[in-house]
Amino acid sequence: NAGVTQTPKFRVLKTGQSMTLLCAQDMNHEYMYWYRQDPGMGLRLIHYSVGEGTTAKGEVPDGYNVSRLKKQNFLLGLESAAPSQTSVYFCASRTPPDFYEQYFGPGTRLTVT
Amino acid sequence: DAKTTQPNSMESNEEEPVHLPCNHSTISGTDYIHWYRQLPSQGPEYVIHGLTSNVNNRMASLAIAEDRKSSTLILHRATLRDAAVYYCILRDHPGNQFYFGTGTSLTVIP
Repeated sequence: NAGVTQTPKFRVLKTGQSMTLLCAQDMNHEYMYWYRQDPGMGLRLIHYSVGEGTTAKGEVPDGYNVSRLKKQNFLLGLESAAPSQTSVYFCASRTPPDFYEQYFGPGTRLTVT
Repeated sequence: DAKTTQPNSMESNEEEPVHLPCNHSTISGTDYIHWYRQLPSQGPEYVIHGLTSNVNNRMASLAIAEDRKSSTLILHRATLRDAAVYYCILRDHPGNQFYFGTGTSLTVIP
């Protein structure tokens, strides 16, 4: 049981490049989340999904797109990367009725130069 | 503006109790209070949660003020493994979004 995994672990992009971050979970969870964490700050929600084929905006969705084509995968896309998107990205999943616990992945460190 | 306010850092001696405070003065009646902790270079992990009543589990206790505008996470006996950043979080109802504070960095002194 791998839990929540994220690919890649590290990435450096140039301004204007695009990339996709992959989150995968093997716990059959319904809900999945993408957060970003900037230095010295807490996590902020980018987008989330409450089931296969659904997505919704969080606190800071601008500049990102997401897709949930399969229940176990949640993709985060950056179409045109900007230095302000330099951050550590965390994916999480959970399933009702266990509303209290999110399971987090190890994070992806992204640098945009 | 952040929904929760926490001290930036705290210190505790090993095997002593630790009380980590959190203010959430704009909490709504259906918001749950969650605490997660984050070890260096890892994702956050669940500690405890509550709505109105005090809660205990094997990791910690959560004391919630009667007016729910503040709460305190209590670690009964701090160990070196408890050194982490502790986040006080509000979860809206029906529970799709979690709002993290800036966290308290806990240092445990041997």
